[in-house]
Amino acid sequence: QVQLKESGPVLVQASETLSLTCTVSGFSLTNYGVIWVRQPPGKGLEWMGIIWRNGNTDYNSALKSRLSINRDTSKSQVFLKMNSLQTDDTAIYYCTSDRYHYWGQGVMVTVSS
Amino acid sequence: DVVMTQTPVSMSVSLGGQVSISCRSSQSLVHNNGNTYLSWYIQKPSQSPQLLIYKVSNRFSGISDRFSGSGSGTDFTLKISRVEPDDLGVYYCGQGTQYPNTFGAGTKLELK
Repeated sequence: QVQLKESGPVLVQASETLSLTCTVSGFSLTNYGVIWVRQPPGKGLEWMGIIWRNGNTDYNSALKSRLSINRDTSKSQVFLKMNSLQTDDTAIYYCTSDRYHYWGQGVMVTVSS
Repeated sequence: DVVMTQTPVSMSVSLGGQVSISCRSSQSLVHNNGNTYLSWYIQKPSQSPQLLIYKVSNRFSGISDRFSGSGSGTDFTLKISRVEPDDLGVYYCGQGTQYPNTFGAGTKLELK
């Protein structure tokens, strides 16, 4: 059974760095990539970036200067780090398998000024 | 970036009725490999998005045949027949042909 689960702080101060973890089960990170998508409250979906099965990454150019995605295949975990947070980074952050077949439950992150 | 435009923004439907949602992309979604990576998702209240349709017209595992997708190039449609209460929520189209992948703004389906 494929599962993804996001974890991390729910409240972050502005200008600080957000660190989130996506823990997957039911598949190997060496066989499938993982995508991060976020959704501001009451708004639509924004693709943030992907870590491919070979470990390469692609980022949304709008976030590229602040964003990094890494992984630990032995722990089946993918990590998102985004620095210089602002209040408009407040959103639900989702991880999803690379064809969007399976999604995590999401984690609501609030950036406080 | 590819802009995805969905219409309508919201619509109301009677149970048992049929609806169509339109999605238009600012560029052709035909990939160099010949595939068209246009997907449809539903997001029910307080839930994560769920994949309904991928590559224009392929239903994801476990998705009812009441859902059908069609279209090509830049114009796509999702049809839902015999609407049930569990179909209510926000529908998104999304393209996976170009990076960054992008999504429409959503169509909210409500009961009439």
